[in-house]
Amino acid sequence: SQQGEEDPQALSIQEGENATMNCSYKTSINNLQWYRQNSGRGLVHLILIRSNEREKHSGRLRVTLDTSKKSSSLLITASRAADTASYFCATAAMYSGGGADGLTFGKGTHLIIQP
Amino acid sequence: EPEVTQTPSHQVTQMGQEVILRCVPISNHLYFYWYRQILGQKVEFLVSFYNNEISEKSEIFDDQFSVERPDGSNFTLKIRSTKLEDSAMYFCASSEWTGEETQYFGPGTRLLVL
Repeated sequence: SQQGEEDPQALSIQEGENATMNCSYKTSINNLQWYRQNSGRGLVHLILIRSNEREKHSGRLRVTLDTSKKSSSLLITASRAADTASYFCATAAMYSGGGADGLTFGKGTHLIIQP
Repeated sequence: EPEVTQTPSHQVTQMGQEVILRCVPISNHLYFYWYRQILGQKVEFLVSFYNNEISEKSEIFDDQFSVERPDGSNFTLKIRSTKLEDSAMYFCASSEWTGEETQYFGPGTRLLVL
């Protein structure tokens, strides 16, 4: 099954506007994390929201989590050209008592901020 | 701020050759991970490592792959006999704890198998 699917796949907005990206997942999770990736570069961690949290803020970022709908959203307010990147959600499975489960990533949303 | 480092940044190898990708996780972290991202595709989990042994591995992590922590700082991924389809960006990550905590990623090693 697909886990951590983002939509839209691509989003182009004007600088200064807000950008909203959504993520859906299928299994029970411990937490959900959002990452940014500039073209061909590494993954930069943006924010982590735990399964018992509903909303979290960090600077211009706002993340929501709805575990009943198995979905999350990432809002970037007052976007800047430097926000142009791909954004991924990644889920950590509910702890199974086994070991260190890896994150399951979505395909990402490619965000373009037009100056 | 502490960060995960990886070497080399790029590696080109011939099919069938062995490659070793190196990572230095954040010093006080206990859990280490390898992921790969084939060009244009999702980031995929390969393996996690804790207390000097593999903790979990995905179906991608078959017998051609191995991981090792040869000393107190390095964490390596070895691909024994590379195939064309192993061409990808390989990311190392580390976290203080499992499941509950942020995983911090290195900049990646771009592997090209010819």
